[in-house]
Amino acid sequence: GAGVSQSPSNKVTEKGKDVELRCDPISGHTALYWYRQSLGQGLEFLIYFQGNSAPDKSGLPSDRFSAERTGGSVSTLTIQRTQQEDSAVYLCASSWDREETQYFGPGTRLLVL
Amino acid sequence: SQQGEEDPQALSIQEGENATMNCSYKTSINNLQWYRQNSGRGLVHLILIRSNEREKHSGRLRVTLDTSKKSSSLLITASRAADTASYFCATGQGAQKLVFGQGTRLTINP
Repeated sequence: GAGVSQSPSNKVTEKGKDVELRCDPISGHTALYWYRQSLGQGLEFLIYFQGNSAPDKSGLPSDRFSAERTGGSVSTLTIQRTQQEDSAVYLCASSWDREETQYFGPGTRLLVL
Repeated sequence: SQQGEEDPQALSIQEGENATMNCSYKTSINNLQWYRQNSGRGLVHLILIRSNEREKHSGRLRVTLDTSKKSSSLLITASRAADTASYFCATGQGAQKLVFGQGTRLTINP
């Protein structure tokens, strides 16, 4: 079956612009996660959705970052007024309710110039 | 902050040899997972071991968990060139976020 998909694959933007990153989880997966992977920082948790609600937003680095999930499916991560330190690979993962294994998408590589 | 710490950071071995990577963590866990990442993109789940398990096998992979030492090891036997990748351990506390280590870069030389 189809895995987790993310778009775009790559995004180059100018400092100060807003960007939207999209994640399509595996059909039926109720849990959805966003992570960020940057050089020297490893993989950092950003936010977790259970259905459409986000019980854990503790990883969002600033109020410039927000995410939403609609219909218990697609999620969008928005970064406003991008900064160069936002450059990273943004990974989305999904899982069945209460299942520990997470299935990752290919990621979006964001470069802020 | 990263909970897991992998050791070594980089490992280079000849094809056919065994590769062992270690992971240490700090807090109590429900499970520990190992993931593989090729070319800095998506992660592939390899194996999950629960806190009440000590050893688990999957094909050429063997994972051990020592909760008293808060450590785990991943052994890949009879390595192949296709095993070249970065390997991450991740700790979970239920079906919520995973906390990843910094990873081990494994290179298999033909």
